[in-house]
Amino acid sequence: GAVVSQHPSWVICKSGTSVKIECRSLDFQATTMFWYRQFPKQSLMLMATSNEGSKATYEQGVEKDKFLINHASLTLSTLTVTSAHPEDSSFYICSAPGTGALEQYFGPGTRLTVT
Amino acid sequence: KQEVTQIPAALSVPEGENLVLNCSFTDSAIYNLQWFRQDPGKGLTSLLLIQSSQREQTSGRLNASLDKSSGRSTLYIAASQPGDSATYLCAVQGGATNKLIFGTGTLLAVQP
Repeated sequence: GAVVSQHPSWVICKSGTSVKIECRSLDFQATTMFWYRQFPKQSLMLMATSNEGSKATYEQGVEKDKFLINHASLTLSTLTVTSAHPEDSSFYICSAPGTGALEQYFGPGTRLTVT
Repeated sequence: KQEVTQIPAALSVPEGENLVLNCSFTDSAIYNLQWFRQDPGKGLTSLLLIQSSQREQTSGRLNASLDKSSGRSTLYIAASQPGDSATYLCAVQGGATNKLIFGTGTLLAVQP
C-alpha cells in the first residue's frame, strides 16, 4: 500500500525558533497533502491543504504566516512552524489521498515540543 | 459546518466482549466515512472505509455500518482482545475537496 513518511518523528526546540517538518509520499505522487494538528487527548484538526505548485489553503483560525507550507514537488510537502511558542507543542500529522482519491494515507506524525 | 461526534468518549471492557462504537455527523452529504485506529503517540491506521452508496464493510472481527440519512455509523468489534486497546476515530469526507473531518474519538481499553 501507499506509504507516507514524516521527518522528524519528534523535535524539541526553544521558544522563538522555527521548525520544519517534512511529509513525503514514498511510492506515489500527491498533488495535494493535508496537515493536521492533534493536541493531547483530542482529535485531529485539519490545519491546511497543501497544493503542489500553488499556495496552501488554510482552515479558519490557522495563521498562515505562522504555519508556512511549501509543496514544491509531487512527493514532498513541508510545514514550518515559525517563531514557535509552547502553545504550538502538539502532534502534527500529514496525509495524502491515494490515486483513487477514496482513501487517505497518513504519516506517522511528528511530536513537537517547544520549551 | 460538518461536525462529527463519537460516543462513548471512553470504554473499558473485559476481553472477549463484543462492543459497538458510535459515530454521528451533522451533514449527510458525505462522500465516504472511514474508521481509524490510533495507538498512543502514533499515526493513524485505516481500518475500514465505507462509500456513501454502501451500507457496511467488514474486515476480520470488525464491521462498520453507515446510515447516511440519519447521519450515523457504528463500528462493531467482535470478541475483543487486549491488542484492540487504542483510540478509534471516525472521519467523514465530503464533496470534492478530499478533506477529512474527524470525530472526537473513543478511547478503548480491553482488559485481559
